[in-house]
Amino acid sequence: GQQVMQIPQYQHVQEGEDFTTYCNSSTTLSNIQWYKQRPGGHPVFLIQLVKSGEVKKQKRLTFQFGEAKKNSSLHITATQTTDVGTYFCAGLDGGSQGNLIFGKGTKLSVKP
Amino acid sequence: NAGVTQTPKFRVLKTGQSMTLLCAQDMNHEYMYWYRQDPGMGLRLIHYSVGEGTTAKGEVPDGYNVSRLKKQNFLLGLESAAPSQTSVYFCASSFGGRTAEAFFGQGTRLTVV
Repeated sequence: GQQVMQIPQYQHVQEGEDFTTYCNSSTTLSNIQWYKQRPGGHPVFLIQLVKSGEVKKQKRLTFQFGEAKKNSSLHITATQTTDVGTYFCAGLDGGSQGNLIFGKGTKLSVKP
Repeated sequence: NAGVTQTPKFRVLKTGQSMTLLCAQDMNHEYMYWYRQDPGMGLRLIHYSVGEGTTAKGEVPDGYNVSRLKKQNFLLGLESAAPSQTSVYFCASSFGGRTAEAFFGQGTRLTVV
């Protein structure tokens, strides 16, 4: 079945440093979504990428979707303590009816 | 704006007991999902539904059953709870299709002893 792999599992950074998490799928995706989960909270939608090679920005966050639609990345510039949490990618298989599969997430901690 | 509401928020069960987790959404979403979250395992899809009266198995369906009798509700049942089902359970819903974000409930923390 479809698998979505995410690396790294953990990332510890000093406030102000950059952060990147990577997502790779075993199959071609129709789209990819990114979510953030604060400690003790629930996942909250950040963005969706649909087109091959797409790049989207949200303030300090940059999201990319690979040309082959099998990988994606989230980059945070100049991290802040408010960025703390776990970032998940989620892929919707191109052939599925709605089977949204999540990666295991990257847990980000930011040292002030 | 209630969004997605899960009931209960916490529960402790004894091995072998049964229970039902309720998920209710007020956004008229077609798609609903049940996930479990365990440390280091991310979110794993248990079952999902693409519309009223339909259900489908996800990655880890064994030991669980679901029903979607009404569009706004998605029930997750544990017939005979096992300690391996200790987890945080999240329900989510979306409009469906290929451009829809998922909205999550607050989660249910279940402990099976």
